[in-house]
Amino acid sequence: DTAVSQTPKYLVTQMGNDKSIKCEQNLGHDTMYWYKQDSKKFLKIMFSYNNKELIINETVPNRFSPKSPDKAHLNLHINSLELGDSAVYFCASSQDGPGSYEQYFGPGTRLTVT
Amino acid sequence: AQSVTQPDIHITVSEGASLELRCNYSYGATPYLFWYVQSPGQGLQLLLKYFSGDTLVQGIKGFEAEFKRSQSSFNLRKPSVHWSDAAEYFCAVGRSYNTDKLIFGTGTRLQVFP
Repeated sequence: DTAVSQTPKYLVTQMGNDKSIKCEQNLGHDTMYWYKQDSKKFLKIMFSYNNKELIINETVPNRFSPKSPDKAHLNLHINSLELGDSAVYFCASSQDGPGSYEQYFGPGTRLTVT
Repeated sequence: AQSVTQPDIHITVSEGASLELRCNYSYGATPYLFWYVQSPGQGLQLLLKYFSGDTLVQGIKGFEAEFKRSQSSFNLRKPSVHWSDAAEYFCAVGRSYNTDKLIFGTGTRLQVFP
């Protein structure tokens, strides 16, 4: 069973479109994250949610809007896509509680904006 | 602010040779340190982590890392590299609460020659 899954794996779209990426974890974790990996492989946090509540919101354009319908899901919606949004987006999750610090990552969604 | 530096962008080793990947961090308090590996087209897999205690930590796939507070380093080592170890390796640091973001280094790409 996949622990953290993302759909779609690849997403090719045109500038100006709106798209969503879905993430689900079946680990029973309380916190979920979105990271962006640019063309130079640099990984940077975008958002995190804990039990459906937004707790981290880095400096990300407000065209990006995360939504957490329940603690097992964290979706990323992107409006008015731009060329610079092309990247690999990773979802991750982690468990609350002492000693539970590692984050488990999904396989990534490669977004290409043309 | 926290930061992570991986000085080596690209390392090439022969199969069977030993490996050391460097990681330096900047953080005022006790850091929580991680090494992740990303195989081509894949997500990130946790190799090992350090929170406290023994400064030499063992991970999966025969990897180990040593935390040296005096040098602000957390270098990853493997005594004998296998061709399947070719991948991108990321060092990351987290703060003292487990729902916090991870700060990643820029990664080291490992190439293994037969």
